[in-house]
Amino acid sequence: GENVEQHPSTLSVQEGDSAVIKCTYSDSASNYFPWYKQELGKGPQLIIDIRSNVGEKKDQRIAVTLNKTAKHFSLHITETQPEDSAVYFCAAQWGGNNRLAFGKGNQVVVIP
Amino acid sequence: DTEVTQTPKHLVMGMTNKKSLKCEQHMGHRAMYWYKQKAKKPPELMFVYSYEKLSINESVPSRFSPECPNSSLLNLHLHALQPEDSALYLCASSQELRAGTEAFFGQGTRLTVV
Repeated sequence: GENVEQHPSTLSVQEGDSAVIKCTYSDSASNYFPWYKQELGKGPQLIIDIRSNVGEKKDQRIAVTLNKTAKHFSLHITETQPEDSAVYFCAAQWGGNNRLAFGKGNQVVVIP
Repeated sequence: DTEVTQTPKHLVMGMTNKKSLKCEQHMGHRAMYWYKQKAKKPPELMFVYSYEKLSINESVPSRFSPECPNSSLLNLHLHALQPEDSALYLCASSQELRAGTEAFFGQGTRLTVV
């Protein structure tokens, strides 16, 4: 199956700075990579995703990059705000059937 | 609208009780999922339904019994649970069960087994 590694496990940034979370995956056949944000007591919220035929995708302050050769993808959050504080999960879809392999999650803390 | 609604939000049950978790979506999605999430861990897939038929069962114990009565509803029937089954149970849906389709999660049911 697919194995997704996510680093770092925790990240503290000053408000206004950028945050970057990196994930690596093992199955070269994986072709869809979503990112989820989970706030305390809530379900995961899909914030951005990227497919294997695209190298970069941006949505306002959030961007995701994909390097298929190296099998890694990253989430970039610019101009961080306190409401960006949450746990972020990367995932890779493998084996058809929309099976998602999740990373272990990254706790992002934005310090006002 | 990307809303998946789960009820109840919180549930406390004894080990001899029978209870059900409910999930509803009105996005016309034909694939629905149950996940289990323990504290500080990622979601773990339990069951997948596609067009109201069970497609994937990730070797889940029989004390968890899923049901998909129609394309908008997904239930999870619980019976004789153990304290270690306490977790956040998440429902998700996607347009279809195929590569590259976005999956949207509900807010979850926080289950405590006493």
